[in-house]
This record gives sequence, C-alpha cells and structure tokens, in this order.
Amino acid sequence: AQTVTQSQPEMSVQEAETVTLSCTYDTSENNYYLFWYKQPPSRQMILVIRQEAYKQQNATENRFSVNFQKAAKSFSLKISDSQLGDTAMYFCAFATDSWGKLQFGAGTQVVVTP
Amino acid sequence: EAQVTQNPRYLITVTGKKLTVTCSQNMNHEYMSWYRQDPGLGLRQIYYSMNVEVTDKGDVPEGYKVSRKEKRNFPLILESPSPNQTSLYFCASSATVGRGGEDTQYFGPGTRLTVL
Repeated sequence: AQTVTQSQPEMSVQEAETVTLSCTYDTSENNYYLFWYKQPPSRQMILVIRQEAYKQQNATENRFSVNFQKAAKSFSLKISDSQLGDTAMYFCAFATDSWGKLQFGAGTQVVVTP
Repeated sequence: EAQVTQNPRYLITVTGKKLTVTCSQNMNHEYMSWYRQDPGLGLRQIYYSMNVEVTDKGDVPEGYKVSRKEKRNFPLILESPSPNQTSLYFCASSATVGRGGEDTQYFGPGTRLTVL
C-alpha cells in the first residue's frame, strides 16, 4: 500500500519570503504521479502542481516549484515570493494513475504573515 | 462552466436518520469518487466509480453506499449515520479511465456533515 507523509503540521512565512514544504511517500510502483493541492479557507481543493515520476525535470508553475527526488521518494514544494493569498492547507498526494485514486498526506497549514 | 456540484453544502443531522449527499458533474467524466477529510488524516477515499453501474470500495467504505445510475451523478448515501461520520466530504471526477491517461481531477466544493 502506498503512504504519503507530511511531517510539518504548520509553517509560517512572511510575505515575499520562500517556504518549502516536505513530503515523502512509499510505493513499490515505478510509474506514478505526485500532486500538491491547496485548500484555502473556502475549503475548495485546488491543484497547484503535478509531477510524473518518469519525468526527471522538476515541475514548475509560476511561483510554485517542486524538488522531486525519486530515489529518496521525496517530493517537496517550494513557494517563492509568498503572498497572503497563499495562506492555506497544502496536501501532498500520490496516484498510480493521474485520473484515479489519490492517496493524501495529512496536510501542512501554511500561514503567510504581512 | 465545467464544475462538480455537491448538495447540501452543510448538513446537521441525528444518529440513524438516513441521508444522501448528491454529486453531479457536467463534464461527461467517466471516473467519480468520494473522499472524506478529517483533521490530521488528510483525505481518504470512500468509494469510486469507473463508469455507469460500476462502483467499488475505497479505503474507508464502512457505513456508506453509492450508486451510479447516470454518468453525471454519483450520490453518497448514509443509511444510518453515526457521529464518527461527522466529516468534510468531497466528490471528485476526472475524464480518463485507463493507464496512460493524464487528466486532472476536479473537486466539488465540499459538504460539511455533522451527525449528533
């Protein structure tokens, strides 16, 4: 069974600074997908970034980038130039198919302060 | 607008009173799924459906039922709710079924259920 671990329950960062969220996972699969989802106070689940395991290049979406270390089974999210609107719960998720079941971590609450 | 809708958004009920949370998508998606979210546990899959009349259990199916009679709808049924089913529930859908698909899952807005 796959497991996803987020070891940081909460992180605080000042506006314009950078914060990195950690995520590790365990799987015996060779091909899979990794995701970061953002859940603001509205509770909506918003896909931030996706990484395919077979791609060596780290995914980037504007101020969000990942550091994917396949051998270490690590998938961290870096938020650069943090904005107040980035305040949210962030979930790391794993799937063996991009469209199918998502296995979520417990989440990391990010608080951006002025 | 492509979306997944859930109703109701908030529900307070009492133990044992049957309830249904509806989920509907307007994207002609094949795959639909229900998750529950609890503090410290993230989201866990309850049931999923790969197409009409095809459903299967997720990680935490006990106490829930689903049906998929139409492609667009995937209701979640709690026949006899209990307080441990107090949670935030999400419906999700995606287009592709089959390996190699690279599709995004769309989530509904969530339903906050409280069972007293």
